[in-house]
Amino acid sequence: SQQGEEDPQALSIQEGENATMNCSYKTSINNLQWYRQNSGRGLVHLILIRSNEREKHSGRLRVTLDTSKKSSSLLITASRAADTASYFCATDDRGSTLGRLYFGRGTQLTVWP
Amino acid sequence: GAVVSQHPSWVICKSGTSVKIECRSLDFQATTMFWYRQFPKQSLMLMATSNEGSKATYEQGVEKDKFLINHASLTLSTLTVTSAHPEDSSFYICSARRAFRDQPQHFGDGTRLSIL
Repeated sequence: SQQGEEDPQALSIQEGENATMNCSYKTSINNLQWYRQNSGRGLVHLILIRSNEREKHSGRLRVTLDTSKKSSSLLITASRAADTASYFCATDDRGSTLGRLYFGRGTQLTVWP
Repeated sequence: GAVVSQHPSWVICKSGTSVKIECRSLDFQATTMFWYRQFPKQSLMLMATSNEGSKATYEQGVEKDKFLINHASLTLSTLTVTSAHPEDSSFYICSARRAFRDQPQHFGDGTRLSIL
């Protein structure tokens, strides 16, 4: 089943521009995670943000979390062509005993050189 | 780092064949492993969660007898697609996580399964 929903479904920008992707979810969560997937490959973990955190940074990535609105955003600054990939948010539901992740449909980011 | 190796990366076989996919955590102990299925340009659908030494927990709608999961050690989990049919063709991805829940999942590179 899917929990997070990303927006937009597709994003096309020029190198150097910033890319912002949003994620909305429905239930109470322990944490929210962002992953990246290059075509035909597995997923790479980017950032994990806990429910009691509001913002987190990692290099050119900035993630925010608003639990009152049940939403998160991923900002990639100064994008590069190599950032072209699908980006997924995934939620670890508080009601789950196994720490399963439920993924959204993803945002396909294309960065043009 | 946390490396997960998935093998094979690509399988083509005839209908009725059983196919085994291996998922190994190479440099950490994976208390929990997950199996996903992904259709083209779609999200990952969680199939099952397995903990070392215990039976897998399957998601609703996933046939246990069709998709056999074994997690025999802290570094290895296998998914066997039994008597595979064309509708089982898909991209299967495993992930592994350390003991604590607030840890990220580390993914293998996936297995593309094509049943003729």
